[in-house]
This record gives sequence, structure tokens and C-alpha cells, in this order.
Amino acid sequence: GESVGLHLPTLSVQEGDNSIINCAYSNSASDYFIWYKQESGKGPQFIIDIRSNMDKRQGQRVTVLLNKTVKHLSLQIAATQPGDSAVYFCAENIRGATNKLIFGTGTLLAVQP
Amino acid sequence: GAVVSQHPSRVICKSGTSVKIECRSLDFQATTMFWYRQFPKQSLMLMATSNEGSKATYEQGVEKDKFLINHASLTLSTLTVTSAHPEDSSFYICSAGTGATTDTQYFGPGTRLTVL
Repeated sequence: GESVGLHLPTLSVQEGDNSIINCAYSNSASDYFIWYKQESGKGPQFIIDIRSNMDKRQGQRVTVLLNKTVKHLSLQIAATQPGDSAVYFCAENIRGATNKLIFGTGTLLAVQP
Repeated sequence: GAVVSQHPSRVICKSGTSVKIECRSLDFQATTMFWYRQFPKQSLMLMATSNEGSKATYEQGVEKDKFLINHASLTLSTLTVTSAHPEDSSFYICSAGTGATTDTQYFGPGTRLTVL
């Protein structure tokens, strides 16, 4: 029978196009943000991070933008490749003794060849 | 880079039994490790923070007597699911912090628990 459950937001892009994945965070006191990539059946893999004193940070083929005014984070992937297909999570760090991470709901990126 | 391993990667057990999952930091010392669970097509939910040499801190709604955490050394934390039931079936993931100037957590590959 058909399974019932949550469906992740999905972003479908063509190979070679740029991808933009968005995330809204909840805590205005968060001062550190991370993007993780999770492939099926695996643990999250660190992609890029940004601190709240910055609004943009670039890595290899990836850029993270932070808008603290509206509590919004985005991940831009240039020249998307089939290997980029995965679920992407943003996470916010609640500053404190334990540095807990709070994860967003995730976005499934599907790259069409 | 920082590598975190988990063992086992998959486990199937009968209802009522206990299962232990190990999380190891292979090339760094982790004073703090975190345990998450993840249901299909959902996000990671923090269960507890494991501190080396002290009691774990559990998130609201997580039963500490059911999910026993031990962090006996700077490279090993264990999660024991006691008296497992089918609803405990999930993907359990640990992470560890390097304690360096960044707050990056590095994640293990996860353990798929299936309770029959």
C-alpha cells in the first residue's frame, strides 16, 4: 500500500544549472550556521558554514548568504552536477556550553542529466 | 579531516531486547558528542548531548532511562536503546565536536535500527 509520511521540499534542476536552496531559521540569537549534505542512508556531510558577523561566504562551487534581518539563509551551488543530488539541511548553532545544532526541515535536490 | 565512525551500521533486533551503538572520533578528541535520530524523509532531531566524564543532557521528551548514553573516553560515546520496540526503529546518527575555535560538528555515517 501507499506509505503516508512527510514529503521533503524538492528542487529539481538541470545538470549545469545553478541551484539555490533556501532556509529560514528560528532563533535570532543563533550566531553560527552550517549547511550539510546528506545522501541516502548516510550521515550529514559538512559543506560550508558562516558566522553571523558575515553576510556571504564562498567555497568551491558553493556560496552561502545570510540575511539576519529576515532570518534567512541560502545555499547556492554553481554548475550543479548529478553528484550534488542529495538532501540539504541548514543548521543553526545555539550558542551555549554545548553548542547544540538545530536542523531545518531539509530540501531534496534532484539533478536531471 | 575529522572522521567519526559508528558501529554497527545496521542492526535488526527483537522487541524487548537492548541494542548498543558506538560512536568513535577516529583522529581527534571529542569532549562533546551528540546523538540524533532521523525518521524517513524527516530532519535530524537532537536526542542528547554526551559529555565526556559526566552525565548526558537529554532533550525534552527523550527518556533517559530508555536511551542510555555513556561517554567514557574522549573518543568513544555509546547509545544503548533499552527494551526496544518497533517505534524505536530509526536512523541514529552521532556527531562530535573538535573543540577547536570553530563549532563545526562532524557526523558519523549513522546506524539503521530495525526492531521487529
